Amino acid sequence: NAGVTQTPKFRILKIGQSMTLQCAQDMNHNYMYWYRQDPGMGLKLIYYSVGAGITDKGEVPNGYNVSRSTTEDFPLRLELAAPSQTSVYFCASSFRTSNEQFFGPGTRLTVL
Amino acid sequence: AQTVTQSQPEMSVQEAETVTLSCTYDTSESDYYLFWYKQPPSRQMILVIRQEAYKQQNATENRFSVNFQKAAKSFSLKISDSQLGDAAMYFCAYWSDSNYQLIWGAGTKLIIKP
Repeated sequence: NAGVTQTPKFRILKIGQSMTLQCAQDMNHNYMYWYRQDPGMGLKLIYYSVGAGITDKGEVPNGYNVSRSTTEDFPLRLELAAPSQTSVYFCASSFRTSNEQFFGPGTRLTVL
Repeated sequence: AQTVTQSQPEMSVQEAETVTLSCTYDTSESDYYLFWYKQPPSRQMILVIRQEAYKQQNATENRFSVNFQKAAKSFSLKISDSQLGDAAMYFCAYWSDSNYQLIWGAGTKLIIKP
């Protein structure tokens, strides 16, 4: 099992550009999550999904969009990148919401 | 709203010694889960230990154990026989049905002195 995979590992964007962060899991988990981690801080939830076709906002959804067309994939879209979106982004999945979340290796995004 | 507080931004311990990391949380709920995650320099987030609030017995995983004080809303992590590989950021997190999401503390950086 590859677990949770994320691409790319690093990316530099210019202000106003858009990009999609890819996330996939092969554990057949229904629950998937996107977090951002700012320096010296814990994780903040951006969006989550309870199954294919169902997504909902987390604590900090502004400037992001998600889709969940399959159980395996949960891409995060950044539209009109801003410097405030400079962060490390983690994708995670779990069997149940109260269970352990399995994390991907993260994407370090810099917006200049 | 629930909050999680880790009051120690950084801790250091001599190799082979024991260290305790603190975590307190604020909630009005009675049923919830608490977690400790480890984030080494590789950035990978790894579960260390999980505690269910309705269980009075403290969770243990090899050298890692918790002291769960429900009334005091405290959830500390004890690492025994510290090893160099334990050096990492440690995050405390809270989950409940009403939130549908993990609430994270700001983390404690653990340094292991050889």
